[in-house]
Amino acid sequence: AQSVTQLDSHVSVSEGTPVLLRCNYSSSYSPSLFWYVQHPNKGLQLLLKYTSAATLVKGINGFEAEFKKSETSFHLTKPSAHMSDAAEYFCASNQGGKLIFGQGTELSVKP
Amino acid sequence: SQTIHQWPATLVQPVGSPLSLECTVEGTSNPNLYWYRQAAGRGLQLLFYSIGIDQISSEVPQNLSASRPQDRQFILSSKKLLLSDSGFYLCALDRGQGTEAFFGQGTRLTVV
Repeated sequence: AQSVTQLDSHVSVSEGTPVLLRCNYSSSYSPSLFWYVQHPNKGLQLLLKYTSAATLVKGINGFEAEFKKSETSFHLTKPSAHMSDAAEYFCASNQGGKLIFGQGTELSVKP
Repeated sequence: SQTIHQWPATLVQPVGSPLSLECTVEGTSNPNLYWYRQAAGRGLQLLFYSIGIDQISSEVPQNLSASRPQDRQFILSSKKLLLSDSGFYLCALDRGQGTEAFFGQGTRLTVV
């Protein structure tokens, strides 16, 4: 069965420093992978997606993620955090027609 | 482009009362539809998903049920709410594997 594991429930960075949010997936074959962002009491917004094309995927707001099959990882990065990046981030996998989410990582950005 | 309408935005219900949350979709046909629940400090739990009219898969045993009477309508129901049903409920759609999901704005349910 597919599963998605986000390794950190909370990440705190200073404004202007890099962001790394970790995600590992399990599946029997290459899944479609996504990162979503959620601001308080709102729905989820797609940041980026991987669908077996380029392994380095660029998304909105300066975020990008790299698909590493050997490590079954799809970590989200951003070179320089902004205060507006503070939110909950979810990694998701779609395999067999069902969208499964990780437990989420709350990103805090300190001034 | 597709849009998802969920209502109400917030809801306070007493224990033992019934529940009906509605999700309607515009701008697409025959989508996959999902109901997720997000409890405080926890991730998105998949409750139900549907690939078509009257085709519902339940992911977890619970006090809730779902129905899809029309292609663009997905309803989440309960006959008797429990305190543990409190949470943030999100409706979502996608067009199949590899496609992104679109989310409604959610319903904050508090059972008192």
